[in-house]
Amino acid sequence: EVQLVESGGGLVQPGVSLRLSCAASGFTFSSHTIHWVRQAPGKGLEWVSFISSSSGTTYYADSVKGRFTISRDNAKNSLYLQMNSLRAEDTAVYYCALDTVTPNNFDYWGQGTLVTVSS
Amino acid sequence: DIQMTQSPSSLSASVGDTVTITCRASQSISTYLNWYQHKPGKAPKLLMSAASSLQGGVPSRFSGSGSGTDFTLTISSLQPEDFASYYCQQCYRFPLTFGGGTKVEIK
Repeated sequence: EVQLVESGGGLVQPGVSLRLSCAASGFTFSSHTIHWVRQAPGKGLEWVSFISSSSGTTYYADSVKGRFTISRDNAKNSLYLQMNSLRAEDTAVYYCALDTVTPNNFDYWGQGTLVTVSS
Repeated sequence: DIQMTQSPSSLSASVGDTVTITCRASQSISTYLNWYQHKPGKAPKLLMSAASSLQGGVPSRFSGSGSGTDFTLTISSLQPEDFASYYCQQCYRFPLTFGGGTKVEIK
């Protein structure tokens, strides 16, 4: 069974950094591309970032480009999101989302981890 | 960037009703369009891919259509478990983008 478990969220002040993790199991992690998607309180879903299976290709939403870095460790079956210079508008539930069959379809999702940026 | 515009943003319906949600892309995306269902506190769920391909385990009362720029999701005979938010998403080009969502509420 595919499982994605996010962690690392919390309450932080504006300007600080935070690193999210997503632990994957139940599938061959190293064979699949994976994404971060977020949902701000009361708002819709927003795609954040993509990383290829080998980490050779990454993409970012304009809203986080230059501040967030996606990475993965295939040996540890883990995905990461390093978030720097956090802003109030980054407050959201962050999900890792996996595409398995068709590129850029989010077939499996974690339960999410809440990041709150507030002074 | 490809903008995805969903309508309506919310609707009220009764069990047994048929509801239709529309999604418009700012440029042609062929059938690179997915639909998701999202309930509060839960992970979103992929309902439909390639505009009209129902995912395994999704009831047949859900159907999708469209290509190019205009797409629809139809829920026939609405059931209590269908009250949720629905999002379209284009998977044609990065940055991937979602519609603003449609909240389906109980009348």
